[in-house]
Amino acid sequence: DAKTTQPPSMDCAEGRAANLPCNHSTISGNEYVYWYRQIHSQGPQYIIHGLKNNETNEMASLIITEDRKSSTLILPHATLRDTAVYYCIVRVSGTYKYIFGTGTRLKVLA
Amino acid sequence: SAVISQKPSRDICQRGTSLTIQCQVDSQVTMMFWYRQQPGQSLTLIATANQGSEATYESGFVIDKFPISRPNLTFSTLTVSNMSPEDSSIYLCSGDASGSFNEQFFGPGTRLTVL
Repeated sequence: DAKTTQPPSMDCAEGRAANLPCNHSTISGNEYVYWYRQIHSQGPQYIIHGLKNNETNEMASLIITEDRKSSTLILPHATLRDTAVYYCIVRVSGTYKYIFGTGTRLKVLA
Repeated sequence: SAVISQKPSRDICQRGTSLTIQCQVDSQVTMMFWYRQQPGQSLTLIATANQGSEATYESGFVIDKFPISRPNLTFSTLTVSNMSPEDSSIYLCSGDASGSFNEQFFGPGTRLTVL
């Protein structure tokens, strides 16, 4: 099963782009990368997922490197409400099972 | 999308007792899962709750300690048995509504403290 590595914490100024990196160097070819965030005392909330193409939705963009060994979640204009722990997750191939990484605690500063 | 609720939201229990946590989804989901989140830590998958059959447990988790039921497509329970202070954690359930690997929806969690 692939594992993910994330920096434990990051700060970002309000209104600026937050770029959260994730390393998943052992990911296999058909394993998806998912991003979730967890705001204090709540359950994780889905953000975005991808396989090999870059993805964008109303919340964020996901950039996956060509070799798929790493990815970056981009919050284009961070707000104070984006302060949370962000998890990069690999879904085990052929299953619904998620393997959560340790997460990055993002603090958006006013 | 699916909305997931859990009961209780929190509890304080005595060592040696058991607690059953309920997870209710507002629509049918294909898969349901139970996770544990120890203080300050990430989420660890406990088991997959299978409808009408025994749950599938991850390494390090056993049925005697964490019996799980899933009688239908919208409801599941997790029991934490013979509790010790090491079981103090947040327990979360999740569901996959679409069956197409798009996203899982998580409940708000049950915060358990064992004295």
